[in-house]
Amino acid sequence: GAGVSQSPSNKVTEKGKDVELRCDPISGHTALYWYRQSLGQGLEFLIYFQGNSAPDKSGLPSDRFSAERTGGSVSTLTIQRTQQEDSAVYLCASSLTGVRNEQFFGPGTRLTVL
Amino acid sequence: GQQLNQSPQSMFIQEGEDVSMNCTSSSIFNTWLWYKQEPGEGPVLLIALYKAGELTSNGRLTAQFGITRKDSFLNISASIPSDVGIYFCAGPVNFGNEKLTFGTGTRLTIIP
Repeated sequence: GAGVSQSPSNKVTEKGKDVELRCDPISGHTALYWYRQSLGQGLEFLIYFQGNSAPDKSGLPSDRFSAERTGGSVSTLTIQRTQQEDSAVYLCASSLTGVRNEQFFGPGTRLTVL
Repeated sequence: GQQLNQSPQSMFIQEGEDVSMNCTSSSIFNTWLWYKQEPGEGPVLLIALYKAGELTSNGRLTAQFGITRKDSFLNISASIPSDVGIYFCAGPVNFGNEKLTFGTGTRLTIIP
């Protein structure tokens, strides 16, 4: 059984460029989450998708960050005009709906902005 | 917002020793979660706690949900090399297993 997959595993970009990070959740999981982990830090919530509901974007740090989820499955996190402070590991997780459902994490995408 | 403070930040122990770490919050949590993260991987859930005072074990791991609902601890008995990693506590920002807030982690290193 496949877990959560993310691509690319590593991304190096120049300041000012746009990047797209992809997440493939576990099949059948209706909830999908994006988190950001800066070096030596815990995870910081970014955005949450649940079924067909409007996403909870309350964690996005600026309007340069956006995410979409197509067909209730694959999600793409886009960062426009990247800045050096965007450098971090971006983690995606998915879960079944309902209370007490475990979030399964992907391996993350390490983003480095030069 | 809610903050989770973990201590210690790092631990250096010898194989076979027991480990204890804790997590405190500035506000009440209804659920406490303990995750482990290894290099290059996402966090993996170890133990979930849903009731104040609850004590739950998973093999050599034991975790407790503090009575005040503002703290939790994780113990690892008889540590082995594969216990190396970063341990995070986490809890839902709102009731229900939705977006989580994470502690800053405790990095465990085992000295051969």
